[in-house]
Amino acid sequence: LAKTTQPISMDSYEGQEVNITCSHNNIATNDYITWYQQFPSQGPRFIIQGYKTKVTNEVASLFIPADRKSSTLSLPRVSLSDTAVYYCLVGDPFSGGYNKLIFGAGTRLAVHP
Amino acid sequence: ETGVTQTPRHLVMGMTNKKSLKCEQHLGHNAMYWYKQSAKKPLELMFVYSLEERVENNSVPSRFSPECPNSSHLFLHLHTLQPEDSALYLCASSQDTASSYNSPLHFGNGTRLTVT
Repeated sequence: LAKTTQPISMDSYEGQEVNITCSHNNIATNDYITWYQQFPSQGPRFIIQGYKTKVTNEVASLFIPADRKSSTLSLPRVSLSDTAVYYCLVGDPFSGGYNKLIFGAGTRLAVHP
Repeated sequence: ETGVTQTPRHLVMGMTNKKSLKCEQHLGHNAMYWYKQSAKKPLELMFVYSLEERVENNSVPSRFSPECPNSSHLFLHLHTLQPEDSALYLCASSQDTASSYNSPLHFGNGTRLTVT
């Protein structure tokens, strides 16, 4: 399983765009990149998933360069409610069988007024 | 409403007690998981059930005993726990078929367990 590295913590202010970068130097050809968000005392929640270039949904955008050795989660105009831990994971969702994704320490994002 | 419901939300038990955690998913998924999240530690995968069959036991002590009676329900039976077992126990589910896309994990909100 590909190992991921992301900053331990980040700080931002309301209304700013936040970019969280994740490194995954040994990502495999079939691996996708998935991001989860976790609030205190809740389970993680799926945010976005991508394979290459750019993916956008109603919550975030995911930018993946051509070499796929890193990815950046972009949260537009954050609010206080975006304060959470964000996890970057890589794995093959088409492998069949159960989901083998392993969670790392994540990035603790604090949004300030 | 997460689609995955865990009960109880909080549980305090002594080291000699026996208790069970319950998880129910309403998403039609075929795979279910137990994770443990201790303070300031990453989520640790404990058990995985695929189509009601246990496919992963991540070196979990025998004082934790999972049960999956059907694809919608998952239990974690607890007995003679230690104080260091105090943690947030999270249940998750995902679509799991050998020939199709494996959907992301859907988590419940967990059971906060305190062992005294």
